[in-house]
Amino acid sequence: GAGVSQSPSNKVTEKGKDVELRCDPISGHTALYWYRQSLGQGLEFLIYFQGNSAPDKSGLPSDRFSAERTGGSVSTLTIQRTQQEDSAVYLCASSLGGAGGGYTFGSGTRLTVV
Amino acid sequence: KQEVTQIPAALSVPEGENLVLNCSFTDSAIYNLQWFRQDPGKGLTSLLLIQSSQREQTSGRLNASLDKSSGRSTLYIAASQPGDSATYLCAVIRSQGAQKLVFGQGTRLTINP
Repeated sequence: GAGVSQSPSNKVTEKGKDVELRCDPISGHTALYWYRQSLGQGLEFLIYFQGNSAPDKSGLPSDRFSAERTGGSVSTLTIQRTQQEDSAVYLCASSLGGAGGGYTFGSGTRLTVV
Repeated sequence: KQEVTQIPAALSVPEGENLVLNCSFTDSAIYNLQWFRQDPGKGLTSLLLIQSSQREQTSGRLNASLDKSSGRSTLYIAASQPGDSATYLCAVIRSQGAQKLVFGQGTRLTINP
């Protein structure tokens, strides 16, 4: 597509429920990233996928968070047993990867855990 | 560990003024630096990307410079307009390892008509 698409744009869930957030990157972009932006905070790196390489999961805050990328394209970020502190905007970005690629971000998913 | 700092945290100026936003980073071994803007409740829009071999990039009224040796980048906005009001974020990518962005906290800019 023309840009990075994220869905849903807004999600309200009850504490303890599982949620899935979707990211559809720009066609041909081999690198995909998830970031989290909490209210009044900066952007926090979560996870990075590059082609067929093992993902860099170093930013995932707990084992309740997981992500997968199917067929080198669409990615799903799953949060299990959501907590109120998970409330944030979850941003996805993609890039061509390799040397010097700029990043294109989606509009984000605003997650509210009540 | 790479740390990125943006000064000031907030800036309010009258319309028409030229202004400079600052970004500094602790590790000069960066691969490139990217400036973004973020409107309230929105995602990030890329403004300028400066590759490691470059010293500046220009797009319209925006000019970004990069001085790796001093660990600094500046974003210059000429003839500011109310529509420029947003949060401006700079982010750096390390030369080695995973190419994840390290962001500053941003500068919240308000242009008053």
